[in-house]
This record gives sequence, structure tokens and C-alpha cells, in this order.
Amino acid sequence: QEQLVESGGGVVQPGRSLRLSCAASGFYFSDYGMHWVRQAPGKELEWVAGIWNDGSRKYYVDSVEGRFAVSRENYNNILNLQMNSLRVEDTAVYYCARAGHSSLWNSYFHSWGQGTLVTVSS
Amino acid sequence: QSALTQPASVSGSPGQSISISCTGTSSDIGSFNYVSWYQHIPDKAPKLMIFDVSDRPSGVSNRFSGSKSGNTASLTISGLQAEDEADYYCSSYSGSGTPYVFGTGTKVTVL
Repeated sequence: QEQLVESGGGVVQPGRSLRLSCAASGFYFSDYGMHWVRQAPGKELEWVAGIWNDGSRKYYVDSVEGRFAVSRENYNNILNLQMNSLRVEDTAVYYCARAGHSSLWNSYFHSWGQGTLVTVSS
Repeated sequence: QSALTQPASVSGSPGQSISISCTGTSSDIGSFNYVSWYQHIPDKAPKLMIFDVSDRPSGVSNRFSGSKSGNTASLTISGLQAEDEADYYCSSYSGSGTPYVFGTGTKVTVL
């Protein structure tokens, strides 16, 4: 059974950094693209970042480009999201999700973790 | 990229059928057959219910079905059950720019 477990969330001041991780199990991690999706309080889901199955290509929503960095450790089945220069508007529950196939495009979010809450506040 | 538009809430009695609409634009739903639907119960992981407009993942009840016409997609739940009570979100691939856009979400209540 596929499982995704996020960790690393917490409360952080504006301008500081936080690193999220997502531990995957139950499927061949290196075969699939992976995404980060977030949901701010009272708002809809928002796609944040994605990485190809082999880590060769990475993409970001404009609002986090240059501040967030997605990476993966295929030997450990781990997905990471390094978040720098955090802003109040980054406050959200962050979910990792498996893509439908190896690339990120023409696809869907096959399985999800339960999410980890990031609160950016002074 | 704007969020896809869904009704805030839909309700029905057990055994009834309900439909949830998801309206986008010619840049997302209207251009691609990559609409998906997710069931989200608070504090649980969202669950894929429909992908590629009308395909069901293994393990999802055939009471759930999807369709699309023009810029609007729909999720239909037939034979409504108490366990179907949840928030439902649609999503569409949108090509360039932000590649995925989500709907505003619909709370389904079983009366």
C-alpha cells in the first residue's frame, strides 16, 4: 500500500527557512514524478513545485520561484522542499503527492500524504 | 491562473445522485482531457477519485463518475452514502505557466 508521510512543518518567523521532507513507501519511488501542493487556511489547493522522477527537471509556481527548492533522494525514497525567505503568505498545510507517471505533465496527483502545517508568523 | 469554479456546497439524501460542476477556461479544462477529482476528509490525506476526466483508479467505487463538456467538468456520485461526506476538489492540467490548477472546493453533505 502506498504511503507518503510529510515532516518538518512548524512555526517560523518571516524571512527564515524551513525544510520539509516526505518519506515514500509502497511503490517504486524512482519511477514517478513528485509534487508539492499546499492549502492556505480557508483557501483552495495550490500546486507549488514538481520534480521529474530522475530529478533532472524541476518546476515551481511563480510565487515561490527562487525561494523554494525541490529535491529528491531516490536511494532513500525521500522528497524534500527547502523553503527560504519565508513569507506570511506561505502559511499553509503542505502535501507531497505522487504523479501519475514519470514526468510531471499531462497527469494527476495519484496519492497524497496527510500534510504538514507551516506557519509563518512574527 | 485563476482557480476553477465549484459550488461551495452540495447536499443529498442517502441513495440519491448528486453532481458537482467544475468550470474552467479554454486554457485548462477546455484544452486538455486531464481533469481529476479528489476527496478530502479533514485531517486525512486527499484521495484521487477520478483522473483523465472519467477514469477511476482501482479501489474507487463505480458510484463515482466523471465527465466533461467544453470548459466544464462534472463529478457525479450516485447512490449517495454517509461515507461520501467530504470536501471534493477538481483539478486540471493547464499546460504552460502554472501547470496545474485546482477548484475552489465543494462540501458534500449527506442529509
